[in-house]
Amino acid sequence: GQQLNQSPQSMFIQEGEDVSMNCTSSSIFNTWLWYKQDPGEGPVLLIALYKAGELTSNGRLTAQFGITRKDSFLNISASIPSDVGIYFCAGAVKKSSGDKLTFGTGTRLAVRP
Amino acid sequence: EAQVTQNPRYLITVTGKKLTVTCSQNMNHEYMSWYRQDPGLGLRQIYYSMNVEVTDKGDVPEGYKVSRKEKRNFPLILESPSPNQTSLYFCASSAGTAINEQYFGPGTRLTVT
Repeated sequence: GQQLNQSPQSMFIQEGEDVSMNCTSSSIFNTWLWYKQDPGEGPVLLIALYKAGELTSNGRLTAQFGITRKDSFLNISASIPSDVGIYFCAGAVKKSSGDKLTFGTGTRLAVRP
Repeated sequence: EAQVTQNPRYLITVTGKKLTVTCSQNMNHEYMSWYRQDPGLGLRQIYYSMNVEVTDKGDVPEGYKVSRKEKRNFPLILESPSPNQTSLYFCASSAGTAINEQYFGPGTRLTVT
């Protein structure tokens, strides 16, 4: 099955630092999504991007839909301890039967107080 | 309370013994989907459904079946489970046919011996 290349695999940063992670694919997607997963929970949607070139913010989070439609990045500014978790990108392709979703392998973020 | 429920939450079974994991949502969502999560691989979509009687394969459908006879329910069936299907399974639902905010269930941890 298809998967997205997500990097970095893990990050260990100091509280207050900015964080950047990205996803790349050989395929084009109609929609890019970014999720966060806390331990023992299902993923929660952070940001959805629907157009190539779109730049969207949600509080301290900013994400962009690459103009080639094959990549996306997520930035977290001024990290805090509750940012700890696993971040997943996901690309969606619109089909006649509905939206098919492909996830990245995740970026595990640890924040040192 | 709006929610996605999955049952069972934990299951240990033996190779070849048919099993069903149920998923139900009370939000009148059209779109439902099943994912498996394995260490280092992130989430992978198994099957999805954009509405009643409309289902399609995700990236890893082999060994699984689904049905969508009612809008609220989307069971995942393993006709003959094998050890490589040991995983954490998530069901999710969202409004409309596009990828809007997906609500994830609590997960089902399946072990096949």
